[in-house]
Amino acid sequence: KNQVEQSPQSLIILEGKNCTLQCNYTVSPFSNLRWYKQDTGRGPVSLTIMTFSENTKSNGRYTATLDADTKQSSLHITASQLSDSASYICVVSYRGSTLGRLYFGRGTQLTVWP
Amino acid sequence: DTEVTQTPKHLVMGMTNKKSLKCEQHMGHRAMYWYKQKAKKPPELMFVYSYEKLSINESVPSRFSPECPNSSLLNLHLHALQPEDSALYLCASSQVGLADTSGYNEQFFGPGTRLTVL
Repeated sequence: KNQVEQSPQSLIILEGKNCTLQCNYTVSPFSNLRWYKQDTGRGPVSLTIMTFSENTKSNGRYTATLDADTKQSSLHITASQLSDSASYICVVSYRGSTLGRLYFGRGTQLTVWP
Repeated sequence: DTEVTQTPKHLVMGMTNKKSLKCEQHMGHRAMYWYKQKAKKPPELMFVYSYEKLSINESVPSRFSPECPNSSLLNLHLHALQPEDSALYLCASSQVGLADTSGYNEQFFGPGTRLTVL
């Protein structure tokens, strides 16, 4: 069964600190993995996208890693800011999809305190 | 223009009302999607249009009626909704249609419409 699991479910950190969010997936055959940031009541915004051959990608203070062998990904946020408070969603699509389907994790709710 | 826009931002309707949600993109994408998202849950796929034709209906109740007038517009017509239909409705678009099997069809999401059914 194709699934995407994220941990932790929620996380509270102080402003300026770093944090790492985890994503494990069983989607196969794998095509790509995306991390989205979703503010409350808003649509998801893409942070990074990685294919099978990529094992790290950065976007400013966000760095995503991918281990396609263990089917794990992480999103590392450095020097957190109050505006980083949001839900971070791991999304996986599989090769051979003719349905435009994405497999969503439940998200990690990050709260950054001053 | 790299945006997906949705109107209205908020909508409150009674169970006997008829209303419509609108979505627009000008990125030349030929696939458009409707998702429903409840609080603290991931988005759930409702409908997919590819080249203006309905390709996927995820067993959505008939009180939701999608329409794709052209390649840039996507509507969701609402009629006789139930309070449990209250949710954030997200529209998305992607560059490739469903004929592409690479899976590399990144979806761009709109800001959503917050729907409340009384």
